Amino acid sequence: GENVEQHPSTLSVQEGDSAVIKCTYSDSASNYFPWYKQELGKRPQLIIDIRSNVGEKKDQRIAVTLNKTAKHFSLHITETQPEDSAVYFCAAIRAGYSTLTFGKGTMLLVSP
Amino acid sequence: DAGVIQSPRHEVTEMGQEVTLRCKPISGHNSLFWYRQTMMRGLELLIYFNNNVPIDDSGMPEDRFSAKMPNASFSTLKIQPSEPRDSAVYFCASSPGTVEYEQYFGPGTRLTVT
Repeated sequence: GENVEQHPSTLSVQEGDSAVIKCTYSDSASNYFPWYKQELGKRPQLIIDIRSNVGEKKDQRIAVTLNKTAKHFSLHITETQPEDSAVYFCAAIRAGYSTLTFGKGTMLLVSP
Repeated sequence: DAGVIQSPRHEVTEMGQEVTLRCKPISGHNSLFWYRQTMMRGLELLIYFNNNVPIDDSGMPEDRFSAKMPNASFSTLKIQPSEPRDSAVYFCASSPGTVEYEQYFGPGTRLTVT
């Protein structure tokens, strides 16, 4: 089955800095890669996703890049703000399937 | 739309008792997922339904866990008997598509078994 590794497990940045979270996946048949943000005590919420037919997607301060050859994808947050502090999860779905395989999560702390 | 609805939001019970968690997916979504989240194990998929039919229950820990989806707007996850190691946050999620679609999570049920 699919295996998703996520790094780092914790990330501390100063407000205004950029943050990058990286994930690798094992199944070359995976073709959908969502990112979820989970604030303390809240539900995971989809913030951005990418499909394997594109290499990059941006939405304001967040962007995701995908390298299918290397089987890794990354989340980039620019101009970080304290409200970006949360746990971020990457995930992957194999083509033709519905079940997500999640990474272990990255706790991002943005200090004012 | 109200989003995915779960009840109760918090449940405290004693070991050995039966626990039933409830979920109402987003109207029109045909896939429903039950997850368990703990610090140690992260987010784990327990079971997945498509069009009310269980498709993959390989994540259900053991026979004490069971799930049903009697209709498109309601699902239950039951634990009988409950044990302290079942303490976790249980999330229900729904998806509009059959495959490769985004999932929308409910607020979760925080279960504590003493």
